[in-house]
Amino acid sequence: DQQVKQNSPSLSVQEGRISILNCDYTNSMFDYFLWYKKYPAEGPTFLISISSIKDKNEDGRFTVFLNKSAKHLSLHIVPSQPGDSAVYFCAASAENYGQNFVFGPGTRLSVLP
Amino acid sequence: DSGVTQTPKHLITATGQRVTLRCSPRSGDLSVYWYQQSLDQGLQFLIQYYNGEERAKGNILERFSAQQFPDLHSELNLSSLELGDSALYFCASSSPIAKNIQYFGAGTRLSVL
Repeated sequence: DQQVKQNSPSLSVQEGRISILNCDYTNSMFDYFLWYKKYPAEGPTFLISISSIKDKNEDGRFTVFLNKSAKHLSLHIVPSQPGDSAVYFCAASAENYGQNFVFGPGTRLSVLP
Repeated sequence: DSGVTQTPKHLITATGQRVTLRCSPRSGDLSVYWYQQSLDQGLQFLIQYYNGEERAKGNILERFSAQQFPDLHSELNLSSLELGDSALYFCASSSPIAKNIQYFGAGTRLSVL
């Protein structure tokens, strides 16, 4: 039973345009969400996070939106750059579960020059 | 560089064997987490240690065990290895202050032949 889903295995975007990566979750106990970026042969790198008390968090070119009623979050990258090409993982955690993350399967983003 | 060190980077072994993966957390981090990533899958949480004590268990097989030592480094022991244990094994650490963010090592790629 996948508690965190990323239904798009891959996404291609032109350089300079917006990239939108989506994530859905099923467990209403999740109260903290994160996005990680992973390059080949490296470990996941923390990108941005959002608490369930917010619906938006912004950091430079990266913005995460949370829709609790729909159990959906998205990561917007504007403008997209070739260096953003990587696998993006959505992760969720719940206070009652400690700091253990449940990860989605990832979306491979390709930003084309 | 996340500050989390994992050794070895690659490990090739045969079925039935036992291996040990090592992780050194970031300086000051007390929590260590182990994850398994099989081909094209998300990261599956295995186990968490906090300051030497087991804190949480995920989908960890009985053939697998871990420990965290007084110097806070951690080892993941995998025994009676099977072909299906071939995967990337990641270690992550977090600090007591920013406990919602985990920093990942580059991983150990285990190949069981």
